[in-house]
Parts: sequence; structure tokens; C-alpha cells
Amino acid sequence: NFMLTQPHSVSESPGKTVTISCTRSSGSIASTYVQWYQQRPGSSPTTIIYEDTLRPSGVPDRFSGSIDSSSNSASLTISGLRAEDEADYYCQSYETSNWVFGGGTKLTVL
Amino acid sequence: QVHLVQSRGEAKKPGASVKVSCKTSGYSFTSFGITWVRQAPGQGLDWMGWISTYNGNPIYAQKFQGRVTMTTDASTSTAYMELRSLTSDDTALYYCARVGSGWFEVAYWGPGTLVTVSS
Repeated sequence: NFMLTQPHSVSESPGKTVTISCTRSSGSIASTYVQWYQQRPGSSPTTIIYEDTLRPSGVPDRFSGSIDSSSNSASLTISGLRAEDEADYYCQSYETSNWVFGGGTKLTVL
Repeated sequence: QVHLVQSRGEAKKPGASVKVSCKTSGYSFTSFGITWVRQAPGQGLDWMGWISTYNGNPIYAQKFQGRVTMTTDASTSTAYMELRSLTSDDTALYYCARVGSGWFEVAYWGPGTLVTVSS
């Protein structure tokens, strides 16, 4: 099985843009879809990006996903940061019969 | 509107088993699979497996093979996850979640069931 590696934490100021990376250890990042989940303190996760770039209804377009085959990684970009974006973010993908989650990134909005 | 309601938290002794339920509503139960994900205190998300609600076939994460059983009851739109031979390392919040149109992503998360394992 492959691993998905995320930075442990990132921080940025309100109104700015932040990008969280998710690097796949083996196999192509483009071979299977990547999802992103947001988990605010004390709450269940919610899905903010699925199939690499798609947003469920209700997720603002400040959230965007992308993949980069050259770095074998996926990225979550949040623009116009708000205090409410402070949360843990997890990437997730899969291979044959197994799902894999990244270790999570804690986003602090300064 | 899609809802997933999970059973109450449980306290178990080491070596015991726990069975968590996940009652769904607001959609056709047999049209979307259910996955189970756990989260130990202060830790990340850990995938346990997935079950087809159409035919009841499960796929278990390798680390839980032999210790977990996932089942469904279409008559009540409920999914179940049983974990056996519990240790303190199994203390976690256990989430059920409905997958999306593919089997590989979560569309809706349940509220979680806290399972505490302690002697």
C-alpha cells in the first residue's frame, strides 16, 4: 500500500491563500481520485473536495483541489481565508481494495 | 435529506467485542455503500473497511482482517460494525459514512460513536 504525506501544520492570515499538499509515496497520484475532508474541532469530518477537483454542493468556491503528476501530489487551496476555516484537513485516496488517508494537516488562521 | 444516526458510546473491557450501528435515512439504502472510519483521541482518520449495501459484500482493511465484521440490514436501512478482541488501542471515535457515486469517497459522515476500552 502507498502512503499519503501531508504537512503537519500550516498557518496563514485571514484573507490570504493557503495550499496544503498531499504527496503519494508510490504509484501515480493521477491513477486514482483524491478527496479532501475538513474536520473542525469536536465535529465529524465533512467532504470538501472529491474526485480531485469537484466540490459538493454548499462548499464555497474558495476551496479548490488539484493534482500535479510531476510532484506526484494533490493540493488543496483555500483562498480568502476566514477564521472558520481553522480545522484539520485530510486527503484520501485508494488503491484496488483499500482506502488510504493522509495524516492530516492542522490549519491555523492567525 | 440524508441522515446517519449511530448508536451510543460504549465502554468495554479488554478482550471484549463491540457492535456499532448506523441507521440511515433520506436515500435508497441499497444504492450506496457504507464505509467505517475510526479516529483515536488526538489522531488522524483510519479506514476500517467498506460494505456494499446492495449485496452485503465487505472489504476490510488489512489491519482489521479477522477482527472486524461489517453487516447490513436493508429492511431497516442500518449498517453494523463489530470489532472483537478489543485492546486499549481500539479506544476511538468510530464513524460510519455513506459513500458517493463511486465506492471510493465519502459523501455523508455520521456523528461518530465513542468506544472506550479500559480495564
